[in-house]
Amino acid sequence: SQTIHQWPATLVQPVGSPLSLECTVEGTSNPNLYWYRQAAGRGLQLLFYSVGIGQISSEVPQNLSASRPQDRQFILSSKKLLLSDSGFYLCAWNLRQGAFEQYFGPGTRLTVT
Amino acid sequence: RKEVEQDPGPFNVPEGATVAFNCTYSNSASQSFFWYRQDCRKEPKLLMSVYSSGNEDGRFTAQLNRASQYISLLIRDSKLSDSATYLCVCSGTYKYIFGTGTRLKVLA
Repeated sequence: SQTIHQWPATLVQPVGSPLSLECTVEGTSNPNLYWYRQAAGRGLQLLFYSVGIGQISSEVPQNLSASRPQDRQFILSSKKLLLSDSGFYLCAWNLRQGAFEQYFGPGTRLTVT
Repeated sequence: RKEVEQDPGPFNVPEGATVAFNCTYSNSASQSFFWYRQDCRKEPKLLMSVYSSGNEDGRFTAQLNRASQYISLLIRDSKLSDSATYLCVCSGTYKYIFGTGTRLKVLA
């Protein structure tokens, strides 16, 4: 069965510091991968999605970037965090073709201070 | 106008009640539709996909009305454990648009 991992689970970072969040998927090949952010009391905002290694589509211009160095690894980064980057970051995957259901990792709760 | 709109609630219902949520979407080209459940401070979990013919999974029934561009979720015989936020989702090939969710509280 497929499993999706995210780490760290929680993170407190000062404004201006860098960020690196990692997501890995097990048990499947060639997944579509997604990064979302959920601000407190808000809906999910799609940040990036990837259909293959090195292929990243950005949905919202901001100080975040994403990379996919391996088939089942997705990384979210920032060089300098802003207060507004605080939120619940969720990685998700689905099959590249066929089924469209998305499955989420446990998330990283980021607080920028 | 939001692409996916839901009544935020909360819907407070007694145990055993039947409750229904609606969700409207603006993009008529949306291909797939889903309901997710999200518990407080947890990740969303797939509850069910929504098909044009309607589908049922135990106490849960989902329906899609493409002409009016809405989907619905019906929960029968509500349990305390059904208390959560229910997210409506519409998708194209790659992009998924989530509603902000409807909060349900089932009361003892």
